Amino acid sequence: DTAVSQTPKYLVTQMGNDKSIKCEQNLGHDTMYWYKQDSKKFLKIMFSYNNKELIINETVPNRFSPKSPDKAHLNLHINSLELGDSAVYFCASSPTGYYGYTFGSGTRLTVV
Amino acid sequence: AQSVAQPEDQVNVAEGNPLTVKCTYSVSGNPYLFWYVQYPNRGLQFLLKYITGDNLVKGSYGFEAEFNKSQTSFHLKKPSALVSDSALYFCAVRPSTSGTYKYIFGTGTRLKVLA
Repeated sequence: DTAVSQTPKYLVTQMGNDKSIKCEQNLGHDTMYWYKQDSKKFLKIMFSYNNKELIINETVPNRFSPKSPDKAHLNLHINSLELGDSAVYFCASSPTGYYGYTFGSGTRLTVV
Repeated sequence: AQSVAQPEDQVNVAEGNPLTVKCTYSVSGNPYLFWYVQYPNRGLQFLLKYITGDNLVKGSYGFEAEFNKSQTSFHLKKPSALVSDSALYFCAVRPSTSGTYKYIFGTGTRLKVLA
């Protein structure tokens, strides 16, 4: 199936731990994104890569580090997890130009 | 500051009635406008977009939206609502002056279609 796939779907972890979320798209899109959706469903962009180059880096704690090994993959590593990091994290991709996004199904991160 | 507003947190409509979900924007330059739908525990799905041309754009699942430049609005509409349309709807805008692919999302409107 052509899609944006994220793993894991659910992630429960303790404060202070380090965790990673992986994202892969097989749509041939050039640009990938990470968005955070908080408990009020508000969506905020975190990062964007275009052909492995970081093009958007919003005001995000430097505990969050994206990595794009190739244009089909964009991973998110989070160090020293805090309670406030609990949210749903969405990966998305788009072709170059004025197109909509294709979103993954999200990773629900719960920090306890 | 560039922004998108969805003034209603929730819209209730009876099945079979027309529905409207409101969106207004404030951006520099010409906007590129989008609507997305999010079903429970799912990612957002693209519904439709306005880039240029006809102010009335048609999208998936019978939805349409009207771009109104003078009112800086891009309201989502459907002539006859279905219970299955119940979901969270997001309006998004990408300023044409944006050199990156940064989209600004509204806060979402929950649509509830009552049988």
